[in-house]
Amino acid sequence: GENVEQHPSTLSVQEGDSAVIKCTYSDSASNYFPWYKQELGKRPQLIIDIRSNVGEKKDQRIAVTLNKTAKHFSLHITETQPEDSAVYFCAASGLGGYQKVTFGTGTKLQVIP
Amino acid sequence: EADIYQTPRYLVIGTGKKITLECSQTMGHDKMYWYQQDPGMELHLIHYSYGVNSTEKGDLSSESTVSRIRTEHFPLTLESARPSHTSQYLCASSEQGARTEAFFGQGTRLTVV
Repeated sequence: GENVEQHPSTLSVQEGDSAVIKCTYSDSASNYFPWYKQELGKRPQLIIDIRSNVGEKKDQRIAVTLNKTAKHFSLHITETQPEDSAVYFCAASGLGGYQKVTFGTGTKLQVIP
Repeated sequence: EADIYQTPRYLVIGTGKKITLECSQTMGHDKMYWYQQDPGMELHLIHYSYGVNSTEKGDLSSESTVSRIRTEHFPLTLESARPSHTSQYLCASSEQGARTEAFFGQGTRLTVV
């Protein structure tokens, strides 16, 4: 089955700096890579996703890049703000309707004002 | 409003008791999932379902059971609660197909004393 590794497990940055979270996956058939943000005491929510037919996607201060050859994808947050502090999860899922999503182990991001 | 609902939000129960955590979604999704998560930590998949009468065990060994008699309802049952079951339980759902996001419920925080 699919295995998703995520690094780092914790990340502290100064407000205004950039943050990068990296994930690797094992199943070359995976073709959908969402990222979720979980604020303290709240449920995970999708913030951005990328499909295998594109290499990069941006939404304001966040962007995701995908390298299918190397089987890794990354989340980039620019101009970080205190409200970006949360746990971030990457995930991967494969082809076909009967595929479950596999999550990474999570990255706790702390933005220091 | 279409959403995914979990009850109860908080539960404190004695060792050996049988409990059922409720999860209902009004989004018409076929896929549903149960995750166990300690605060801010990794999401462990314990059960999932592709549709009515479909249930599968996840990656984390669990002493719980699930049922899927109706599309919108996916309850989780612990026959005999133990202190090691103390955790947060998150229910999620998604549309059929691989490239769709998962929507999470608010979670049930279970404490077994």
